[in-house]
Amino acid sequence: AQSVSQHNHHVILSEAASLELGCNYSYGGTVNLFWYVQYPGQHLQLLLKYFSGDPLVKGIKGFEAEFIKSKFSFNLRKPSVQWSDTAEYFCAVTHPGAGSYQLTFGKGTKLSVIP
Amino acid sequence: AAGVIQSPRHLIKEKRETATLKCYPIPRHDTVYWYQQGPGQDPQFLISFYEKMQSDKGSIPDRFSAQQFSDYHSELNMSSLELGDSALYFCASSPLRGPSTDTQYFGPGTRLTVL
Repeated sequence: AQSVSQHNHHVILSEAASLELGCNYSYGGTVNLFWYVQYPGQHLQLLLKYFSGDPLVKGIKGFEAEFIKSKFSFNLRKPSVQWSDTAEYFCAVTHPGAGSYQLTFGKGTKLSVIP
Repeated sequence: AAGVIQSPRHLIKEKRETATLKCYPIPRHDTVYWYQQGPGQDPQFLISFYEKMQSDKGSIPDRFSAQQFSDYHSELNMSSLELGDSALYFCASSPLRGPSTDTQYFGPGTRLTVL
């Protein structure tokens, strides 16, 4: 079965620090990749997605992610975090090549930004 | 822009009772997904519907059932509730089920507490 691994359970950064959250997936076929953010007490919001094309994708709020097929990775980055980025971040995949459109999520990374 | 609507937002039930959760997708979205997120956990896929037919099934207990109606809204019916069913239940909808269009938009969730 497919799986998604997020390497960091909890990341603590000061404002203006750079962010990189790791994500690896196990499925070797065609995948669609997503990063969702969940602010405290709120629902999941789509940050960005990758289907095909340019492996560097830009999302909302200054986030970007790079798809590296050879490493089965889709890491999320932001050059300078703000206190308002404090949230939980979930990497997720679907497998349209296998006819599967359900999202498989990683365990999430909790980001705390200190003012 | 219209979003996914879920009702109720909060629900408190006793053990062995039943509960019905409702989801109203974004207009013109024909696919609905249900996810369960336990405390401190990542969302787990339960079941999905495409054009009113069940399309995928995940880790949904036999005590739960769901359906999608002619207006595309969906209901998740939960019977013989157990303490372990306490969780946040998210519904997501997506337009046109396909490899390049499967982006899921999440509702605010229903927080179910079983006492």
